[in-house]
Amino acid sequence: EMQLVESGGGLVQPGGSLRLSCSVSGFTVNNNYLTWVRQAPGKGLEWVSVIYPGGNTYYADSVKGRFTISRDNSKNTVDLQMNILKAEDTAVYYCAKGLWNDYWGQGTLVTVSS
Amino acid sequence: EIVMTQSPATLSVSPGERVTLSCRASQNVRVNFAWYQQKPGQAPRLLIYGASTRATGIPARFSGSGSGTEFTLTINSLQSEDSAVYYCQQYSDWPLTFGGGAKVEIK
Repeated sequence: EMQLVESGGGLVQPGGSLRLSCSVSGFTVNNNYLTWVRQAPGKGLEWVSVIYPGGNTYYADSVKGRFTISRDNSKNTVDLQMNILKAEDTAVYYCAKGLWNDYWGQGTLVTVSS
Repeated sequence: EIVMTQSPATLSVSPGERVTLSCRASQNVRVNFAWYQQKPGQAPRLLIYGASTRATGIPARFSGSGSGTEFTLTINSLQSEDSAVYYCQQYSDWPLTFGGGAKVEIK
């Protein structure tokens, strides 16, 4: 069974950093596209970033230069390092498998507030 | 950036009726297009990819059509459990983008 479990969310001050992790089971991260999608409270879905099987990475303009996606093949995890956080980054962050996302985690809440 | 515009934003439908949701892309995305369903407090669920291919386990009452810039999700014989927000997505070009969502309510 394919499962994704996010962790690492929490409360952080503006300008701070946070690292999210997505632990995967049932498939390997190095052979699949892994995506981060976020959803601000009461709002719609926003695509954030993806890492390709070959290692290429892409980012939404709103996070480019501040967020970094990476993977650890030995741990079968995908991480999202988030720096210089802003209030508008407050959201539930989901990791998902694929370019079209057929499996999703349950999400982890990131709150950026002083 | 490719902008995805969904319509209508909200609709209220009686059980057993047919629902048609639309999504328009600002540029040609070919069939690199998906539909998702999201219920309150849950992660989204993939319904359709490749514009018309149902994802694993999705009931046959859900169907997708379209290509290029115009896409449609049809729900035949609406069930009470179909009450949700539906999102479209293009995965043709970076950044990938979602539509703003369409809320389907049951009368």
